[in-house]
Amino acid sequence: QKEVEQDPGPLSVPEGAIVSLNCTYSNSAFQYFMWYRQYSRKGPELLMYTYSSGNKEDGRFTAQVDKSSKYISLFIRDSQPSDSATYLCAMNPSLNFGNEKLTFGTGTRLTIIP
Amino acid sequence: DGGITQSPKYLFRKEGQNVTLSCEQNLNHDAMYWYRQDPGQGLRLIYYSQIVNDFQKGDIAEGYSVSREKKESFPLTVTSAQKNPTAFYLCASSSGGRQFNTEAFFGQGTRLTVV
Repeated sequence: QKEVEQDPGPLSVPEGAIVSLNCTYSNSAFQYFMWYRQYSRKGPELLMYTYSSGNKEDGRFTAQVDKSSKYISLFIRDSQPSDSATYLCAMNPSLNFGNEKLTFGTGTRLTIIP
Repeated sequence: DGGITQSPKYLFRKEGQNVTLSCEQNLNHDAMYWYRQDPGQGLRLIYYSQIVNDFQKGDIAEGYSVSREKKESFPLTVTSAQKNPTAFYLCASSSGGRQFNTEAFFGQGTRLTVV
């Protein structure tokens, strides 16, 4: 079993819809959770990070963590065609990425249809 | 502008050849990383370096080698011992050390194809 499981999609939704992207994990040591966005043929860029159970909001994006269920989600409201990308979840046992390697999900490919 | 530069963007290698992928950063970051990305596999760590002249193997180091002679540079050599080298290679850096640090900055990647 992989430490981090993520539905690879592809996922297609109409413009304006709410998108839900999810990851589950098995390692209780993971305490810090990140979402990266990767456009085709580009490097990933950090969207959001969080470390406590509950919700964290940033504009149209909301990151949700449920440590008791080992489940994290990223919600995108009012989705736009420019949101079309692959979304990767990543997890870390500590705050210090320099000393601990990030564990990534496989990524979910999202397409927003105009 | 600060950032990470990977070159070349596309690279073709003949079977049995070694090739070197370049990664340079001007972010003054201590830590640098090499990942490999394959469809359905996500990002897998090849090597990482937390400080100049030191590096550690990641999860899939076999068939690869690195050096870290300068803080700014972390080249990756894909050797002929790597059985399936065709992939998208990503270099990343982070500030490392003991300070709060969750963000890794990624380069734009090098797509390596064996012909």
